[in-house]
Amino acid sequence: DQQVKQNSPSLSVQEGRISILNCDYTNSMFDYFLWYKKYPAEGPTFLISISSIKDKNEDGRFTVFLNKSAKHLSLHIVPSQPGDSAVYFCAARSAGNMLTFGGGTRLMVKP
Amino acid sequence: ETGVTQSPTHLIKTRGQQVTLRCSSQSGHNTVSWYQQALGQGPQFIFQYYREEENGRGNFPPRFSGLQFPNYSSELNVNALELDDSALYLCASRHRLAGEGDTQYFGPGTRLTVL
Repeated sequence: DQQVKQNSPSLSVQEGRISILNCDYTNSMFDYFLWYKKYPAEGPTFLISISSIKDKNEDGRFTVFLNKSAKHLSLHIVPSQPGDSAVYFCAARSAGNMLTFGGGTRLMVKP
Repeated sequence: ETGVTQSPTHLIKTRGQQVTLRCSSQSGHNTVSWYQQALGQGPQFIFQYYREEENGRGNFPPRFSGLQFPNYSSELNVNALELDDSALYLCASRHRLAGEGDTQYFGPGTRLTVL
């Protein structure tokens, strides 16, 4: 029973364009949603989060949108840079600060 | 760099053996969580320790156990290893505060291979 799903295993984008990574969830009790970036041989690195009571959070080139009625969130990266190439995980937080992760989306930004 | 370190980096064991993985939390962090990441999947929550006690557990059997020490370093122990235990094991630390979005910081992981 996958409570957090990332349906696109990979995404390829041209440098300078927008990258949009999507995530769907099923559990209405999640109170925070987070995005992590992971390079090979490193642990996941926190990128940006959003509370379940908000619908948008922005930090520089990264914006996360939350649509609670659709149980859907997305990460927008504008403009995309080659250094953004990595695996991106969305995660949802439940009681006790337990994180449930999606399966990840590999983003490739081409120069 | 997050300040969370893990050892060893890689480990090879055989089925039925026991293994201990170690994590040193970021300074000032009093809560540690362990995750298992199988190849091609996202990390899965194993358990969490706060003030040396387990205070949350995912869907993992009792042969997965842990310890947290007064200096906030921690261990993950796995008994009776199975082939499916082959994975990247991640620890994450945070400072437990009331309020919003206390972020977990991950170490680089230990790659365990069970033959």
